[in-house]
Amino acid sequence: DSGVTQTPKHLITATGQRVTLRCSPRSGDLSVYWYQQSLDQGLQFLIQYYNGEERAKGNILERFSAQQFPDLHSELNLSSLELGDSALYFCASSVASGQETQYFGPGTRLLVL
Amino acid sequence: KNEVEQSPQNLTAQEGEFITINCSYSVGISALHWLQQHPGGGIVSLFMLSSGKKKHGRLIATINIQEKHSSLHITASHPRDSAVYICAVRYRRKDSNYQLIWGAGTKLIIKP
Repeated sequence: DSGVTQTPKHLITATGQRVTLRCSPRSGDLSVYWYQQSLDQGLQFLIQYYNGEERAKGNILERFSAQQFPDLHSELNLSSLELGDSALYFCASSVASGQETQYFGPGTRLLVL
Repeated sequence: KNEVEQSPQNLTAQEGEFITINCSYSVGISALHWLQQHPGGGIVSLFMLSSGKKKHGRLIATINIQEKHSSLHITASHPRDSAVYICAVRYRRKDSNYQLIWGAGTKLIIKP
């Protein structure tokens, strides 16, 4: 158990819909990272937040957005969902925003039908 | 050409063999991560390196900053080591934000 929690574990929705994935970092961790893993793309870094502010951006689509709240939990919002958005979405956390080890949550499996 | 290249893509070995997985990158980095993903999907962070060598149990990770290369070694491999091993590098962009670039992963199967 990494100490990082993600909800929900599974999510099934339809194209065009909007969903929100939630991540609670380990106690004391200030950074939250979001990743997408699909069968054909491997593991993709989406975005990082540090203490409430966006710190780094990767391959995140404009239809996707994220935020980190004052209690340090984070949400990833996916809108106008497409079939290709079906993937495993991981959240990770680390103590700061430098070279620390990242601790991964169990992931949210999203299926868009 | 991908900025992070891992080799081999697939590796099958017998229990007890010494395993080496390589990662080469083309950008200037501030850190390199090695992660392990099990068949069930769970990801475990193994090492974070910025220089030198780290060891944890039967796992050893090395990095050569000048050659832009890192290796992950597994000694006395065991079937439970079967997983996908992923290399990721962290670098600072011109806008001063950090970005992570991931390798495609190496699928390791250890046969009993």
